[in-house]
Amino acid sequence: IAGITQAPTSQILAAGRRMTLRCTQDMRHNAMYWYRQDLGLGLRLIHYSNTAGTTGKGEVPDGYSVSRANTDDFPLTLASAVPSQTSVYFCASSDKSSPYNEQFFGPGTRLTVL
Amino acid sequence: GENVEQHPSTLSVQEGDSAVIKCTYSDSASNYFPWYKQELGKGPQLIIDIRSNVGEKKDQRIAVTLNKTAKHFSLHITETQPEDSAVYFCAAPNYGGSQGNLIFGKGTKLSVKP
Repeated sequence: IAGITQAPTSQILAAGRRMTLRCTQDMRHNAMYWYRQDLGLGLRLIHYSNTAGTTGKGEVPDGYSVSRANTDDFPLTLASAVPSQTSVYFCASSDKSSPYNEQFFGPGTRLTVL
Repeated sequence: GENVEQHPSTLSVQEGDSAVIKCTYSDSASNYFPWYKQELGKGPQLIIDIRSNVGEKKDQRIAVTLNKTAKHFSLHITETQPEDSAVYFCAAPNYGGSQGNLIFGKGTKLSVKP
């Protein structure tokens, strides 16, 4: 059982470039999330999707976009990367039909924007 | 929306001692309070949670207590071991903001010294 996979594991990117972080889950969870983790700031929600075909904005959505074409995949795109987007990105999923929303996290993508 | 404050940001204890991490929340409608453990280089993983209809929950060496009147909840780890060294996050659902998505505290880095 893979759970949630993320790719790439790490990436160094020049400012202004476009980048897509990939996330796939095999648990058939309806909800998926993207977080960024920065030292001293904890986990902050970027975007979420409660079900395939829908997405919503989290706490820090600016500069990021997402799509949810199917249940399993939830890619995060940086259209034009900036240095402030240097962070560790985590994808997560949960069964939103449960009121207690346990989230399962992927291993993360470390992104450096120069 | 929900606001979650977590203290302390760092905690160092001797092996065998107890560790306590405290969180406060702002939304009285919150009814679910999970704790996640993040080991170095990995994604966060749920270790224990508590629902608003109970005041305490235990699982071996870890316990969580909830005071709904004061809007705070705490993680207690007894007989700490070196493998307990990690970053711990508390969370609460944000019903006012993003449809019950979790808002995380900023994390506590726990170091257990042998």
